[in-house]
Amino acid sequence: EGQLLESGGGLVQPGGSLRLSCAATGFLSSNYAISWVRQAPGKGLDWVSGISGSGGTTYYADSVKGRFTISRDKSKNSVSLQMNNLRREDAAVYYCARVAPCSGGSCYRRYYFDQWGRGTLVAVSS
Amino acid sequence: EIVLTQSPATLSLSPGERATLSCRASQSISDYLAWYQQRPGQAPRLLIYDASNRATGVPARFSGSGSGTDFTLTISSLEPEDFAVYYCQQRTNGLTFGGGTKVEI
Repeated sequence: EGQLLESGGGLVQPGGSLRLSCAATGFLSSNYAISWVRQAPGKGLDWVSGISGSGGTTYYADSVKGRFTISRDKSKNSVSLQMNNLRREDAAVYYCARVAPCSGGSCYRRYYFDQWGRGTLVAVSS
Repeated sequence: EIVLTQSPATLSLSPGERATLSCRASQSISDYLAWYQQRPGQAPRLLIYDASNRATGVPARFSGSGSGTDFTLTISSLEPEDFAVYYCQQRTNGLTFGGGTKVEI
């Protein structure tokens, strides 16, 4: 089944940068699309960014476009999220999540997360 | 971007009772909807995909139904471990989650 493990969270000042990493074990992460989903304290789930298995296609929520960059490191079997110009409203637990394999068509719409990491906390404060 | 509206926000029930959770989409998403369970301090867990298919290892007391804009997650008889927050999710237009329904004792 495999696991995902996030790292890289911490406290950063507004305007600062952090790089989160999501390491996959037990499966080849390049065989799956991966996304980052965040959850502010006491709030709901908020999709942030996604990357295809090949790494050739990336997606971003409007709220982070131009500030966050998602990428793959195939040698490390991991996905990273570079977060620049952080804002207070970016503070959250960041989860990486694996997209379930899809067959039979309409895979763009059948984009569901079947494996989640435990999350890493990002705090933005001066 | 499609907005998913979940109701009620909180559902107060007892173990053994039936829970019915609703998720309404702002436009039709066919049956391309998932449900997740999140227990306190844990990551979400996929329960239902394509509106009505149980994910691997999910107990049969969980069932999903609906299509178009109206969807329902039903827990036929609540177990103590089912008291949690439930989210619906779509990716037909944008990728969005509903605001969640908390099932509490």
